[in-house]
Amino acid sequence: QQQVKQSPQSLIVQKGGISIINCAYENTAFDYFPWYQQFPGKGPALLIAIRPDVSEKKEGRFTISFNKSAKQFSLHIMDSQPGDSATYFCAARMGGSEKLVFGKGMKLTVNP
Amino acid sequence: GAVVSQHPSWVICKSGTSVKIECRSLDFQATTMFWYRQFPKQSLMLMATSNEGSKATYEQGVEKDKFLINHASLTLSTLTVTSAHPEDSSFYICSAPLQGALSYEQYFGPGTRLTVT
Repeated sequence: QQQVKQSPQSLIVQKGGISIINCAYENTAFDYFPWYQQFPGKGPALLIAIRPDVSEKKEGRFTISFNKSAKQFSLHIMDSQPGDSATYFCAARMGGSEKLVFGKGMKLTVNP
Repeated sequence: GAVVSQHPSWVICKSGTSVKIECRSLDFQATTMFWYRQFPKQSLMLMATSNEGSKATYEQGVEKDKFLINHASLTLSTLTVTSAHPEDSSFYICSAPLQGALSYEQYFGPGTRLTVT
């Protein structure tokens, strides 16, 4: 019930391509879904987040798509760049709590 | 976005000693902060919730006497690893939520690499 399942575990794309990371959850009490980017040896940085009453949110090259009925959400990185090479984590917050539940992460490699 | 800092960024200590890690919210107040532990190539594991003015809440399996948490003010939480052992070597990261009238975001510090020799 507390889990957030993230896939794939790793992804290699060419520069300029689209990177897509998927997450699925079971608990309908989750009310906030952020995505974080982490570089080696650094803390996670908040990229973009969405609430379940919105189906899509776009900020620059990053877009979250949210499917409430399927209990799935995904991050799309358009025009992927080598500087986007990092580990990406999806997360979810339980309503009424401030704790985040994290997916296992996905390592993205963007080849030049 | 808001800024959360940690100090030190890395520390090496001898087995049996204690080490303190500070987490500060630089431009906002945080009545709650979180402490995570991360092993190489793994996800973040929540250790405890730090509450300003009250005791920390620990996740199941986390030894509260080993990982002492003090939320001294609305901008500072500290994690003390007591009687450290090599298995405590890890990357420790704190976070603080920023709640607005219509928004919620949680910001992470840069992390502290602890190596116990």
